[in-house]
Amino acid sequence: ELKVEQNPLFLSMQEGKNYTIYCNYSTTSDRLYWYRQDPGKSLESLFVLLSNGAVKQEGRLMASLDTKARLSTLHITAAVHDLSATYFCAVDMRFGAGTRLTVKP
Amino acid sequence: DADVTQTPRNRITKTGKRIMLECSQTKGHDRMYWYRQDPGLGLRLIYYSFDVKDINKGEISDGYSVSRQAQAKFSLSLESAIPNQTALYFCATSSSGGVGNEQFFGPGTRLTVL
Repeated sequence: ELKVEQNPLFLSMQEGKNYTIYCNYSTTSDRLYWYRQDPGKSLESLFVLLSNGAVKQEGRLMASLDTKARLSTLHITAAVHDLSATYFCAVDMRFGAGTRLTVKP
Repeated sequence: DADVTQTPRNRITKTGKRIMLECSQTKGHDRMYWYRQDPGLGLRLIYYSFDVKDINKGEISDGYSVSRQAQAKFSLSLESAIPNQTALYFCATSSSGGVGNEQFFGPGTRLTVL
Protein backbone atom coordinates (compact mmCIF):
# COMPACT_ATOMS: atom_id res chain seq x y z
CA GLU A 1 0.00 0.00 0.00
CA LEU A 2 1.29 3.41 -0.97
CA LYS A 3 2.12 5.68 1.94
CA VAL A 4 3.01 9.34 1.67
CA GLU A 5 4.61 10.98 4.68
CA GLN A 6 5.40 14.63 5.20
CA ASN A 7 7.49 16.28 7.82
CA PRO A 8 7.27 18.40 9.68
CA LEU A 9 3.51 18.56 10.12
CA PHE A 10 3.72 21.98 11.72
CA LEU A 11 6.28 24.62 10.95
CA SER A 12 6.54 28.06 12.49
CA MET A 13 9.23 30.24 11.04
CA GLN A 14 10.29 33.83 11.00
CA GLU A 15 10.19 36.02 7.97
CA GLY A 16 13.43 35.98 6.06
CA LYS A 17 14.43 32.48 7.13
CA ASN A 18 14.89 29.39 4.97
CA TYR A 19 13.41 25.98 5.57
CA THR A 20 12.65 22.67 3.84
CA ILE A 21 9.57 20.45 3.92
CA TYR A 22 10.12 16.77 3.19
CA CYS A 23 7.85 14.28 1.46
CA ASN A 24 8.65 10.56 1.46
CA TYR A 25 6.63 7.93 -0.36
CA SER A 26 6.74 4.18 -0.18
CA THR A 27 6.37 2.83 -3.73
CA THR A 28 7.93 3.57 -7.07
CA SER A 29 6.57 6.60 -8.84
CA ASP A 30 8.03 9.07 -11.30
CA ARG A 31 5.43 11.74 -10.66
CA LEU A 32 4.78 13.88 -7.59
CA TYR A 33 2.60 16.89 -6.94
CA TRP A 34 2.68 19.75 -4.47
CA TYR A 35 -0.46 21.67 -3.54
CA ARG A 36 -1.18 24.66 -1.37
CA GLN A 37 -4.27 25.19 0.78
CA ASP A 38 -5.04 28.53 2.41
CA PRO A 39 -7.20 28.46 5.56
CA GLY A 40 -10.83 27.83 4.70
CA LYS A 41 -10.01 27.45 1.03
CA SER A 42 -9.57 24.70 -1.52
CA LEU A 43 -6.32 23.25 -2.82
CA GLU A 44 -4.38 24.69 -5.72
CA SER A 45 -1.58 23.11 -7.66
CA LEU A 46 1.91 24.45 -7.04
CA PHE A 47 4.29 22.06 -8.77
CA VAL A 48 4.22 18.96 -10.89
CA LEU A 49 7.46 16.95 -10.79
CA LEU A 50 7.61 14.43 -13.60
CA SER A 51 10.97 12.71 -13.44
CA ASN A 52 13.97 11.93 -11.32
CA GLY A 53 16.00 15.05 -10.67
CA ALA A 54 13.15 17.38 -11.63
CA VAL A 55 13.37 20.82 -10.08
CA LYS A 56 10.70 23.49 -10.28
CA GLN A 57 10.82 26.98 -8.84
CA GLU A 58 8.31 29.74 -8.41
CA GLY A 59 9.10 32.77 -6.37
CA ARG A 60 10.42 31.75 -2.96
CA LEU A 61 9.43 28.10 -3.38
CA MET A 62 11.52 25.40 -5.02
CA ALA A 63 10.52 21.75 -5.31
CA SER A 64 12.67 18.79 -6.27
CA LEU A 65 12.21 15.07 -6.79
CA ASP A 66 14.55 12.15 -6.18
CA THR A 67 12.72 9.05 -7.37
CA LYS A 68 15.50 6.71 -6.28
CA ALA A 69 15.25 7.92 -2.69
CA ARG A 70 11.45 8.31 -3.04
CA LEU A 71 11.83 11.80 -1.66
CA SER A 72 10.65 15.24 -2.64
CA THR A 73 11.55 18.49 -0.96
CA LEU A 74 9.85 21.87 -0.93
CA HIS A 75 12.37 24.54 -0.06
CA ILE A 76 11.31 27.94 1.19
CA THR A 77 13.72 30.81 0.73
CA ALA A 78 13.48 34.02 2.74
CA ALA A 79 9.96 33.30 3.94
CA VAL A 80 7.29 35.98 3.89
CA HIS A 81 3.93 36.06 5.64
CA ASP A 82 2.04 35.38 2.39
CA LEU A 83 3.50 31.88 2.31
CA SER A 84 1.55 30.92 5.43
CA ALA A 85 -0.65 27.99 4.33
CA THR A 86 -0.84 24.21 4.44
CA TYR A 87 1.27 22.40 1.87
CA PHE A 88 0.48 18.91 0.64
CA CYS A 89 2.47 16.51 -1.47
CA ALA A 90 0.67 13.81 -3.42
CA VAL A 91 1.62 10.66 -5.29
CA ASP A 92 -0.85 8.67 -7.39
CA MET A 93 -4.00 10.15 -5.74
CA ARG A 94 -2.53 9.60 -2.24
CA PHE A 95 -1.88 12.74 -0.20
CA GLY A 96 0.42 13.40 2.68
CA ALA A 97 -1.05 14.75 5.93
CA GLY A 98 0.07 18.25 5.06
CA THR A 99 2.53 20.73 6.57
CA ARG A 100 0.95 23.74 8.20
CA LEU A 101 3.35 26.61 7.71
CA THR A 102 3.10 29.81 9.73
CA VAL A 103 5.44 32.66 8.91
CA LYS A 104 5.78 35.22 11.66
CA PRO A 105 7.14 38.77 11.39
CA ASP B 1 -16.64 31.46 -13.26
CA ALA B 2 -15.40 28.51 -11.25
CA ASP B 3 -14.19 25.56 -13.34
CA VAL B 4 -15.15 22.98 -10.70
CA THR B 5 -18.29 23.61 -8.68
CA GLN B 6 -19.76 21.73 -5.75
CA THR B 7 -23.25 21.86 -4.30
CA PRO B 8 -24.19 22.34 -1.58
CA ARG B 9 -21.33 24.23 0.03
CA ASN B 10 -22.55 23.48 3.51
CA ARG B 11 -24.93 20.82 4.74
CA ILE B 12 -26.14 19.78 8.14
CA THR B 13 -28.00 16.50 8.32
CA LYS B 14 -29.07 13.89 10.83
CA THR B 15 -27.83 10.38 11.39
CA GLY B 16 -29.51 7.91 9.04
CA LYS B 17 -30.41 10.40 6.33
CA ARG B 18 -29.45 9.90 2.73
CA ILE B 19 -27.67 12.84 1.16
CA MET B 20 -26.05 13.62 -2.16
CA LEU B 21 -23.17 15.93 -2.91
CA GLU B 22 -22.81 17.09 -6.47
CA CYS B 23 -19.84 18.12 -8.54
CA SER B 24 -19.78 19.73 -11.97
CA GLN B 25 -16.85 20.84 -14.09
CA THR B 26 -16.37 22.92 -17.20
CA LYS B 27 -12.71 22.07 -17.71
CA GLY B 28 -13.45 19.28 -20.17
CA HIS B 29 -11.47 16.81 -18.04
CA ASP B 30 -12.18 13.10 -18.27
CA ARG B 31 -11.11 12.17 -14.74
CA MET B 32 -12.97 13.04 -11.56
CA TYR B 33 -12.38 12.30 -7.90
CA TRP B 34 -13.99 12.58 -4.49
CA TYR B 35 -11.90 13.17 -1.37
CA ARG B 36 -12.65 13.88 2.24
CA GLN B 37 -10.47 16.03 4.44
CA ASP B 38 -10.23 15.60 8.18
CA PRO B 39 -7.92 17.67 10.41
CA GLY B 40 -4.45 16.14 10.57
CA LEU B 41 -5.22 13.42 8.02
CA GLY B 42 -4.75 15.20 4.76
CA LEU B 43 -7.07 14.18 1.93
CA ARG B 44 -8.28 10.63 1.57
CA LEU B 45 -9.64 9.26 -1.68
CA ILE B 46 -13.22 7.98 -1.59
CA TYR B 47 -13.94 7.18 -5.26
CA TYR B 48 -12.52 8.06 -8.62
CA SER B 49 -13.64 7.83 -12.23
CA PHE B 50 -11.39 7.92 -15.26
CA ASP B 51 -14.26 8.22 -17.71
CA VAL B 52 -18.05 8.00 -17.73
CA LYS B 53 -18.14 4.20 -17.65
CA ASP B 54 -15.33 3.79 -15.16
CA ILE B 55 -15.87 3.90 -11.38
CA ASN B 56 -13.27 2.82 -8.84
CA LYS B 57 -13.16 2.62 -5.07
CA GLY B 58 -10.58 4.61 -3.20
CA GLU B 59 -9.09 3.95 0.19
CA ILE B 60 -12.22 4.83 2.22
CA SER B 61 -15.27 3.95 0.09
CA ASP B 62 -17.34 2.17 2.75
CA GLY B 63 -20.58 4.03 3.42
CA TYR B 64 -20.36 6.00 0.17
CA SER B 65 -21.49 5.53 -3.41
CA VAL B 66 -21.00 7.57 -6.55
CA SER B 67 -22.58 8.20 -9.91
CA ARG B 68 -20.92 9.60 -13.01
CA GLN B 69 -23.91 11.01 -14.86
CA ALA B 70 -21.87 12.63 -17.62
CA GLN B 71 -18.30 13.54 -18.28
CA ALA B 72 -18.88 16.80 -16.46
CA LYS B 73 -20.85 15.50 -13.47
CA PHE B 74 -19.84 13.25 -10.59
CA SER B 75 -22.02 12.90 -7.51
CA LEU B 76 -21.28 11.38 -4.12
CA SER B 77 -23.99 9.81 -1.96
CA LEU B 78 -24.06 8.88 1.66
CA GLU B 79 -26.75 6.22 1.88
CA SER B 80 -27.21 6.47 5.63
CA ALA B 81 -25.15 9.25 7.13
CA ILE B 82 -23.30 8.73 10.39
CA PRO B 83 -21.51 11.28 12.60
CA ASN B 84 -18.00 10.13 11.66
CA GLN B 85 -18.75 11.17 8.09
CA THR B 86 -18.64 14.75 9.28
CA ALA B 87 -15.84 16.25 7.19
CA LEU B 88 -14.91 18.58 4.37
CA TYR B 89 -15.49 16.94 0.99
CA PHE B 90 -13.64 17.92 -2.15
CA CYS B 91 -14.29 17.05 -5.74
CA ALA B 92 -11.35 17.22 -8.13
CA THR B 93 -10.72 16.77 -11.84
CA SER B 94 -7.76 16.03 -14.02
CA SER B 95 -7.02 15.31 -17.64
CA SER B 96 -5.51 12.08 -18.92
CA GLY B 97 -4.01 14.08 -21.75
CA GLY B 98 -1.36 16.73 -21.46
CA VAL B 99 1.79 16.52 -19.43
CA GLY B 100 1.18 17.29 -15.78
CA ASN B 101 -2.18 15.68 -15.04
CA GLU B 102 -2.42 17.66 -11.83
CA GLN B 103 -5.77 17.80 -10.09
CA PHE B 104 -8.03 20.84 -9.95
CA PHE B 105 -10.22 21.09 -6.89
CA GLY B 106 -13.68 22.40 -6.25
CA PRO B 107 -14.40 24.75 -3.33
CA GLY B 108 -15.45 21.96 -1.01
CA THR B 109 -18.62 20.93 0.81
CA ARG B 110 -18.65 21.08 4.58
CA LEU B 111 -20.87 18.27 5.84
CA THR B 112 -22.01 17.91 9.42
CA VAL B 113 -23.86 14.78 10.53
CA LEU B 114 -25.63 15.15 13.88
